[in-house]
Amino acid sequence: QVQLVQSGAEVKKPGASVKVSCKASGYTFTNYDINWVRQATGQGLEWMGWMNPISGNTNYAQKFQGRVTMTRNTSVSTAYMELSSLRSEDTAIYYCARGGSPASAFDFWGQGALVTVSS
Amino acid sequence: DIQMTQSPSSLSASVGDRVTITCRASQTISTYLNWYQQKPGKAPKLLIYAASSLQGGVPSRFTGSGSGTDFTLTISSLQPEDFATYYCQQSFMTRFTFGGGTKVEIK
Repeated sequence: QVQLVQSGAEVKKPGASVKVSCKASGYTFTNYDINWVRQATGQGLEWMGWMNPISGNTNYAQKFQGRVTMTRNTSVSTAYMELSSLRSEDTAIYYCARGGSPASAFDFWGQGALVTVSS
Repeated sequence: DIQMTQSPSSLSASVGDRVTITCRASQTISTYLNWYQQKPGKAPKLLIYAASSLQGGVPSRFTGSGSGTDFTLTISSLQPEDFATYYCQQSFMTRFTFGGGTKVEIK
């Protein structure tokens, strides 16, 4: 069965970086895009960007341009999202989600990784 | 970026009620519209893709409709497990965006 398993919770200081992993199983990793979505406590869903695992091509939301980097290691079917220059407003749950056809819908999601930014 | 506006932001309903949630895009998106359900403490779950196609395993009481800029998610007979927050998402532009969500609460 398709699974996306994310790394654990992180606590970071303002100005630091965080790297969240998302390990895929149950399907061919290179056949589907990986998206990253975050959700602050009590807030809605915010799309951060996607990555094509074959080419490594990425497309980031304007808001995160220059601060986010999405990469992958196809040998271990794992995608990564690194966010730098963290501030308190980045405290949120970060989800990875499989996307692609049809309609680029996100059909499988990771369990989420809580990132807390606090001094 | 395309802005997605959902209404209402919350609603109260009873088991058995028919519930309708609307989503409006700031520009035409054809039928590149997806709906998700999220329960507290859980990841979102895909319900409807391409405006009206039911994701596998999703009960048939959920239906989606619309095209262009205006879309609707309807729950024909609300069940206890349907109390959750619902989000629309456009996938017309590859910078995807979500609506603000609609929380469906028990009356």
